Amino acid sequence: KQEVTQIPAALSVPEGENLVLNCSFTDSAIYNLQWFRQDPGKGLTSLLLIQSSQREQTSGRLNASLDKSSGRSTLYIAASQPGDSATYLCAVRGGADGLTFGKGTHLIIQP
Amino acid sequence: GAVVSQHPSRVICKSGTSVKIECRSLDFQATTMFWYRQFPKQSLMLMATSNEGSKATYEQGVEKDKFLINHASLTLSTLTVTSAHPEDSSFYICSALNREQSIRTDTQYFGPGTRLTVL
Repeated sequence: KQEVTQIPAALSVPEGENLVLNCSFTDSAIYNLQWFRQDPGKGLTSLLLIQSSQREQTSGRLNASLDKSSGRSTLYIAASQPGDSATYLCAVRGGADGLTFGKGTHLIIQP
Repeated sequence: GAVVSQHPSRVICKSGTSVKIECRSLDFQATTMFWYRQFPKQSLMLMATSNEGSKATYEQGVEKDKFLINHASLTLSTLTVTSAHPEDSSFYICSALNREQSIRTDTQYFGPGTRLTVL
């Protein structure tokens, strides 16, 4: 059974810092990996989707990498801003369409 | 991007009652919809997958008779929590995809979620 782990569980940094969120998964036979953002009491916003054949994806200040063989992904956030404060979720898609999520990293960017 | 709505956004009910949650794809046809549940500080857990016009496929440990799923049209899926109990209190989120589009984009669109509190 696929398990997804995210480290750290929580992170608080001053505004302007670059930071890295980590995601690992136990079964490397994935179809794709996706990073989401979730604001308190809200639904999910998709940030980046990496297909299993890809190594990374970039969108603005966000960069996500994927090392499928080692079961790892990182989300890099450059020049963090208070508006980036949220919970960041990593999810993988296996053979079925449903996603397996990690517990998330709760990020606070201090002004 | 595509929009998925959920109704209601919040519901409070008494123990023993049934609650229906709707998930709608507003601007695309959702051939497949997923229902997830999220307990506080926990992961989203997939409950079931529903394809339009067929019975839902439930994940292990999810009671079919407890969580009734209907996906009667390409734009609407409903989740009914029957005889709700306090332990069913959770955040329920649906997602939808169009299988033809997903071949190219592989994107699921998530609803805003429904907060269920059972007293």
